[in-house]
Amino acid sequence: EDKVVQSPLSLVVHEGDTVTLNCSYEVTNFRSLLWYKQEKKAPTFLFMLTSSGIEKKSGRLSSILDKKELFSILNITATQTGDSAVYLCAVANFGNEKLTFGTGTRLTIIP
Amino acid sequence: GAVVSQHPSWVICKSGTSVKIECRSLDFQATTMFWYRQFPKQSLMLMATSNEGSKATYEQGVEKDKFLINHASLTLSTLTVTSAHPEDSSFYICSLSDTSYNEQFFGPGTRLTVL
Repeated sequence: EDKVVQSPLSLVVHEGDTVTLNCSYEVTNFRSLLWYKQEKKAPTFLFMLTSSGIEKKSGRLSSILDKKELFSILNITATQTGDSAVYLCAVANFGNEKLTFGTGTRLTIIP
Repeated sequence: GAVVSQHPSWVICKSGTSVKIECRSLDFQATTMFWYRQFPKQSLMLMATSNEGSKATYEQGVEKDKFLINHASLTLSTLTVTSAHPEDSSFYICSLSDTSYNEQFFGPGTRLTVL
């Protein structure tokens, strides 16, 4: 059974700090790993990673995948209160289109 | 990315009634749609996968007779929660997949409360 584990489950930091969120996975026929941000409603897409070692970057957010060690990290630098959300990691495999989600990391940024 | 809408955004109903939730793709034709359920402070759990013109595939533990899915067109999928009970209260989210399956686009979700 495919499995995605995120850590930490929750994290509280001060505005301006840098955070690193972790996602490890066990999946057959891995295709891609995706990061989403969820505030009050449905998840919004952040990154899709398919290749090891290639950092994806969007503003203060960046992410990288290690397919040998089966994990990914999401970095957020110079955090702002608007970054407060649940960050979800999901993996997709070849053969079906299903996404398996981790439990998420609840990030709270204190002003 | 694709624009996905859900209707209603929230619904409150009495125990024993049925509730229909619609998921629409506004700007592309979706051959595959997914329905997820999210309980408070938990992650998204896939309920079923539906392909246009064929029966939905349900995940283990999801009752197909209770959660009826219809994907009658490339732009509309519906989820009907039949004989709803308080334990069905949850956040229901649909997503659409393009034919290359590279990304899923999520709807805004429907919050169901069963009294």
